Amino acid sequence: SQTIHQWPATLVQPVGSPLSLECTVEGTSNPNLYWYRQAAGRGLQLLFYSVGIGQISSEVPQNLSASRPQDRQFILSSKKLLLSDSGFYLCAWSESRVNEQFFGPGTRLTVL
Amino acid sequence: ILNVEQSPQSLHVQEGDSTNFTCSFPSSNFYALHWYRWETAKSPEALFVMTLNGDEKKKGRISATLNTKEGYSYLYIKGSQPEDSATYLCAFNAGGTSYGKLTFGQGTILTVHP
Repeated sequence: SQTIHQWPATLVQPVGSPLSLECTVEGTSNPNLYWYRQAAGRGLQLLFYSVGIGQISSEVPQNLSASRPQDRQFILSSKKLLLSDSGFYLCAWSESRVNEQFFGPGTRLTVL
Repeated sequence: ILNVEQSPQSLHVQEGDSTNFTCSFPSSNFYALHWYRWETAKSPEALFVMTLNGDEKKKGRISATLNTKEGYSYLYIKGSQPEDSATYLCAFNAGGTSYGKLTFGQGTILTVHP
């Protein structure tokens, strides 16, 4: 069966520090991968999605970037965190762009 | 910018009550409508993916209907139980250049009191 892992579960970082969040999927190949963020008081917002290795689409202009170095690995990064980057980050995968998405456990990021 | 609205924002019901809430979405360029349940301290879990106008799907006590021409979907819970307490999210999947990307509503927070 397929599983999705995210780490770390929680993170507290100072403004201006770098960020790296990792997501890996097991039990499937060539998944579509997604990064979402839920900021305080707001809904889930799609940040990035990827349909294959090295293929990244960015949905909103922001301080973050994503990379997909391997088929089942998706990384969310920032060179310098802002206060507004605080939120709950979810990684998800799907078999195709129209199928249901399966979400990871999430990372709670607090930028101080 | 796609607008996906859910109402009500929150709902409190008694155990055994039946309840329903609404998701409205753009009626043009429709591809699919997803419903997810998000329980506290867990990940969102898919309930339904609906693609056809007039679709009706059911899973246990939960069912959903879809009207793509007028741009709305209803989620129904029959005989609510405390374990149904969660945030219910709908997400719109548009075609065209937005193909495959989900735009989520803000969610309806359901609390079922024993």
